[in-house]
Amino acid sequence: DTEVTQTPKHLVMGMTNKKSLKCEQHMGHRAMYWYKQKAKKPPELMFVYSYEKLSINESVPSRFSPECPNSSLLNLHLHALQPEDSALYLCASSQVGIPTGRDNEQFFGPGTRLTVL
Amino acid sequence: AQSVTQLDSQVPVFEEAPVELRCNYSSSVSVYLFWYVQYPNQGLQLLLKYLSGSTLVKGINGFEAEFNKSQTSFHLRKPSVHISDTAEYFCAVLRAGGFKTIFGAGTRLFVKA
Repeated sequence: DTEVTQTPKHLVMGMTNKKSLKCEQHMGHRAMYWYKQKAKKPPELMFVYSYEKLSINESVPSRFSPECPNSSLLNLHLHALQPEDSALYLCASSQVGIPTGRDNEQFFGPGTRLTVL
Repeated sequence: AQSVTQLDSQVPVFEEAPVELRCNYSSSVSVYLFWYVQYPNQGLQLLLKYLSGSTLVKGINGFEAEFNKSQTSFHLRKPSVHISDTAEYFCAVLRAGGFKTIFGAGTRLFVKA
């Protein structure tokens, strides 16, 4: 299995809802990432998990809560989001954790398109 | 820190014409370079990548790119485009040993019949 999968593909939620995005990889990668891509903009890094521990938080608001239950799975829990949080959320993984070696190429999933009403 | 500049925000081109999408990067350390394509309302698809070795990299869908270290460029080319190549193209850089892929602002390729 050489891909990163993400579910759901699309998600519509209200500002008071609680929802979760899921990302899975079975490549034995030890680092996993969340990126956010707003419409007509490039993706931007949100979080990095390395060896199942949160290593990097790029000053993301607390209404986004990442979780890494095991080395293959990465979740992003959403609560009290705002309409401006509507975006494509991309998950990625890389072979080595942080501090990384040279095998740190990131493999991206197809994304979850989130709409907050 | 690394940065990526895509020199054209939009590139209109006629079908079957050649195209070049320009990308310049800035970094004082070794980097990996990538081109991604994003079709409307879809995720990122890797077109090609430069990690090391030959500076001419061939990718999917007939695209290729050349890594030019002296000019810090990684331009994407295709000798003959199709209508189906209409999409957003992102150049990206990742520091060797780093954790953050830095994307350019994107170039919208619009292929006209």
